[in-house]
Amino acid sequence: NAGVTQTPKFQVLKTGQSMTLQCAQDMNHNSMYWYRQDPGMGLRLIYYSASEGTTDKGEVPNGYNVSRLNKREFSLRLESAAPSQTSVYFCASSELTATPGELFFGEGSRLTVL
Amino acid sequence: GENVEQHPSTLSVQEGDSAVIKCTYSDSASNYFPWYKQELGKRPQLIIDIRSNVGEKKDQRIAVTLNKTAKHFSLHITETQPEDSAVYFCAAGRNAGNMLTFGGGTRLMVKP
Repeated sequence: NAGVTQTPKFQVLKTGQSMTLQCAQDMNHNSMYWYRQDPGMGLRLIYYSASEGTTDKGEVPNGYNVSRLNKREFSLRLESAAPSQTSVYFCASSELTATPGELFFGEGSRLTVL
Repeated sequence: GENVEQHPSTLSVQEGDSAVIKCTYSDSASNYFPWYKQELGKRPQLIIDIRSNVGEKKDQRIAVTLNKTAKHFSLHITETQPEDSAVYFCAAGRNAGNMLTFGGGTRLMVKP
């Protein structure tokens, strides 16, 4: 039981390049999330998926797209990376759908955009 | 949308002392208030949470209090130990969307 697994753990991009962060959970959770963490700003929600087949914008969605591929997997795509997207990205999952509950986080992906 | 403010941003205490971290929220519809601990280089993990139908919850050395009227909640850690050193995040969430909005974090340092 690995919990929430995200790849890659580290990535360096040049401005304008694209990439996809992968996330998978093996807890049969309904909801999945992508957060970014910047110093002094806590965790800010980029996108979330309350259930398979649905996705919704969070606080900071600009410059990102997501895909809920199936119940297990939720990917985050940067189409044209910018230096402002340098951050640590966390994927998370939650069992609950209609009410907030405990989030289980992945180990994080550190992205640097030059 | 919801706005969560957390204070202080850094807190240094002596081992054995108590530590208190405070958060305020703006959305009166918020009804779920968790606290996460993040050790250096690790993922955030839930340490305690409270729902709006109770005013206080305790788990060994940690407790959370909630004042819905004033829209603030606090984390209390008693008898602090060096392993309590970490960044702590508060958050607020509500039904219909099950999103959590996080505070900016508090770096707690417990000096031996």
